[in-house]
Amino acid sequence: EAAVTQSPRSKVAVTGGKVTLSCHQTNNHDYMYWYRQDTGHGLRLIHYSYVADSTEKGDIPDGYKASRPSQENFSLILELASLSQTAVYFCASSTGTGVTGQLYFGEGSKLTVL
Amino acid sequence: GDSVTQTEGLVTLTEGLPVMLNCTYQSTYSPFLFWYVQHLNEAPKLLLKSFTDNKRPEHQGFHATLHKSSSSFHLQKSSAQLSDSALYYCAARTGNTGKLIFGLGTTLQVQP
Repeated sequence: EAAVTQSPRSKVAVTGGKVTLSCHQTNNHDYMYWYRQDTGHGLRLIHYSYVADSTEKGDIPDGYKASRPSQENFSLILELASLSQTAVYFCASSTGTGVTGQLYFGEGSKLTVL
Repeated sequence: GDSVTQTEGLVTLTEGLPVMLNCTYQSTYSPFLFWYVQHLNEAPKLLLKSFTDNKRPEHQGFHATLHKSSSSFHLQKSSAQLSDSALYYCAARTGNTGKLIFGLGTTLQVQP
């Protein structure tokens, strides 16, 4: 069974503070992704990576940084958290492209910025 | 740019009635289409994915057919069950970027 674990599962942060969300996968997948979920906006891609030490911008990268130090780990960093970044964040991994590259999601990290 | 459209935000129907959730896409290239389902307080998980030929994928009674002529990949089920109540996402992958683009999602509520 594919496994993607996120930490923390829930976090309350203050405006202007730094937040790091971590993701670890044991699937031996090349691709990893960070999505945010908001009511009315669906799942929106923030950053993704297809190889260690390299990250790519998704559709809404502003205000977020990503780090892929190894194949197994992918972090999302909010240097200066803002109220608008309150959301649920999902990490996912995938074997790659095409029809075979289904996403395996983690359980989500609920971030509340006050 | 590429996009996925799900026109219904909420679909409410009675148990036993047929289900159809709409999904259309816009893409420069022929995309691969997926349906993901997310139950309350759970992570999204794959429900169906399109094939490159004319096969119709099926899972848990749900099926979807990719119609390139109308750029659609509607999700259907002949008889809804209470356990089908969930958030359903249509998603598309185009080219070889690895990016998966999601629609806004459709919440399906099945009532007794």
